[in-house]
Amino acid sequence: RKEVEQDPGPFNVPEGATVAFNCTYSNSASQSFFWYRQDCRKEPKLLMSVYSSGNEDGRFTAQLNRASQYISLLIRDSKLSDSATYLCVVNGEGNFNKFYFGSGTKLNVKP
Amino acid sequence: NAGVTQTPKFQVLKTGQSMTLQCAQDMNHEYMSWYRQDPGMGLRLIHYSVGAGITDQGEVPNGYNVSRSTTEDFPLRLLSAAPSQTSVYFCASSNSRGAFFGQGTRLTVV
Repeated sequence: RKEVEQDPGPFNVPEGATVAFNCTYSNSASQSFFWYRQDCRKEPKLLMSVYSSGNEDGRFTAQLNRASQYISLLIRDSKLSDSATYLCVVNGEGNFNKFYFGSGTKLNVKP
Repeated sequence: NAGVTQTPKFQVLKTGQSMTLQCAQDMNHEYMSWYRQDPGMGLRLIHYSVGAGITDQGEVPNGYNVSRSTTEDFPLRLLSAAPSQTSVYFCASSNSRGAFFGQGTRLTVV
């Protein structure tokens, strides 16, 4: 079983739409959770951390459900520039160094 | 502010050749890691280090060696390149705020 699982998509949405991604993780001892964005042929970049209480950064909202071991990312008012692959990231065994990455969910925002 | 610097950006090797991918960070992070990314797959951890002089294996360590003589540098060595090692390699340094990546090395083994 993979440490982190995501729906690969693609999610094809029109500009202005709201879109949500989920991912599940297997290690109940994980302590840190993140969403990363990866553009084609580029390095992953940190989008936002995910906190137990949920957190928002502009049009982006992240939620964590520890009981069900899933993380979500909500993007409101999608822009063309949001087109990318979104990676769910979880650390393992309480260590910063062992990050487990989902395979990513591809988002295409269409005009 | 350079962050994480990887070199080279592109490399073509012949089967059996060896080479070293360089990685340096200027954020004074203790933790550094190497990942490979193949099409349709997520990032897979090759090796990681929790500080100078300490390294450990990740998910896919075979065929790779690492060392960590300083906090700043974490080179990855391919001992005898194989076509299966054709991939994009990312170095990252991390703290509690997440992992920060270099720009990647695209390696092709022919």
